[in-house]
Amino acid sequence: GESVGLHLPTLSVQEGDNSIINCAYSNSASDYFIWYKQESGKGPQFIIDIRSNMDKRQGQRVTVLLNKTVKHLSLQIAATQPGDSAVYFCAETHAGGTSYGKLTFGQGTILTVHP
Amino acid sequence: AAGVIQSPRHLIKEKRETATLKCYPIPRHDTVYWYQQGPGQDPQFLISFYEKMQSDKGSIPDRFSAQQFSDYHSELNMSSLELGDSALYFCASSLVGLNEQYFGPGTRLTVT
Repeated sequence: GESVGLHLPTLSVQEGDNSIINCAYSNSASDYFIWYKQESGKGPQFIIDIRSNMDKRQGQRVTVLLNKTVKHLSLQIAATQPGDSAVYFCAETHAGGTSYGKLTFGQGTILTVHP
Repeated sequence: AAGVIQSPRHLIKEKRETATLKCYPIPRHDTVYWYQQGPGQDPQFLISFYEKMQSDKGSIPDRFSAQQFSDYHSELNMSSLELGDSALYFCASSLVGLNEQYFGPGTRLTVT
């Protein structure tokens, strides 16, 4: 079935560096892609999303890039801080039919930021 | 701002027992989703409800059932518990038509 997966399961960076977390997806029918941050013992927290008709979207210190040609999604975090340490999941969803809103998550990348 | 509330936060049950997990969505949210997250795994979609009707169903065992009530809170009922049911169970809520789902803190279920 469709899946969303990540290339790198762990990422360690120094405080102040930029971080890039990657994700590959297989369902070309996906309408939305979302990045979630999950801290230990907590539920996933919405970071940013992007529609399938967009290539790039920026938020506060985060940028999501979507390359539909190669079905690739990335999350860029600028000036990474220790508080950014968490597991990051990409997820996809698509409108229409009975699957509207259902999220399919990727494997997750553990981001560790060293002071 | 009000968030999604889940109870209990922790639950320990023995094999073959039953468990009921509760979820209280953000006020005015009409859609509730349930996800299961095993250790070191990504969340897996179980079931969702919109306006008290089941809207989608994922990899939910027949031993599990769920419903959404008139006040929009939802309950996940789990029977004949197995060791493999030990996991974090998240509830998320949203407004229909919007893709942003807000997750609760989860219920950690341990089956011994």
